[in-house]
Amino acid sequence: EVKLVESGGGSAQPGRSLRLSCAASGFTFDGYAMHWVRQAPGKGLEWVSGVSSDSGSRKYADSVRGRFTISRDNAENSLFLDMNNLKTEDTAFYFCARDTSPHNYGAALDSWGQGTLVSVSS
Amino acid sequence: SSELTQDPAVSVALGQTVNITCQGVTLRSYFAHWYQQRPGQAPKLVISDKSVRPSGIPDRFSGSGSGDTASLIITGAQADDEAVYYCHSRSSTSTHLPFGGGTKLTVL
Repeated sequence: EVKLVESGGGSAQPGRSLRLSCAASGFTFDGYAMHWVRQAPGKGLEWVSGVSSDSGSRKYADSVRGRFTISRDNAENSLFLDMNNLKTEDTAFYFCARDTSPHNYGAALDSWGQGTLVSVSS
Repeated sequence: SSELTQDPAVSVALGQTVNITCQGVTLRSYFAHWYQQRPGQAPKLVISDKSVRPSGIPDRFSGSGSGDTASLIITGAQADDEAVYYCHSRSSTSTHLPFGGGTKLTVL
């Protein structure tokens, strides 16, 4: 069974940093691209970032480019999102999701974690 | 504004057919994927690559598309289908992967 479990969410002040983690199990992690998708409370889904299976391609939404960094550790079956210079508008549930392809070019996301809440306020 | 446009809300009578649409220039070049999200739950993939139904998804869900519009069709809607549905694809520049704004489906 594919399982994705996010952790690392919490409260932070504007300008501070947080690191999110996603622990993957039940599949060959290094065979799939992975993504972060967020959802502000009561709002729609927003794609944040994606990384190819070999970390050779990383993409970011304009809203986070330059502040967030996606990475993965295939040996540890883990995905990360380093979030720097947080803004109040970054407040959201952050979901980890598996791509159906090893590449990072827009295939479907077929497995999702339950999400971790990041709250940014002063 | 989003690159993929969806109607905010749609309703359907129990057992009838509903068509949820997604519009965007990028859909002329790239397939749409569709996700169902019930309150308090993570999204779930219901249609990939315009019309492919993943294992375990009921066959009342289907997808189609032409030009700049993709459609999710639910034939014989059930109460359990009440949810928000999101389309998703690749941007025309392939630099990011936008979602539509979501369509809240109410089954009457």
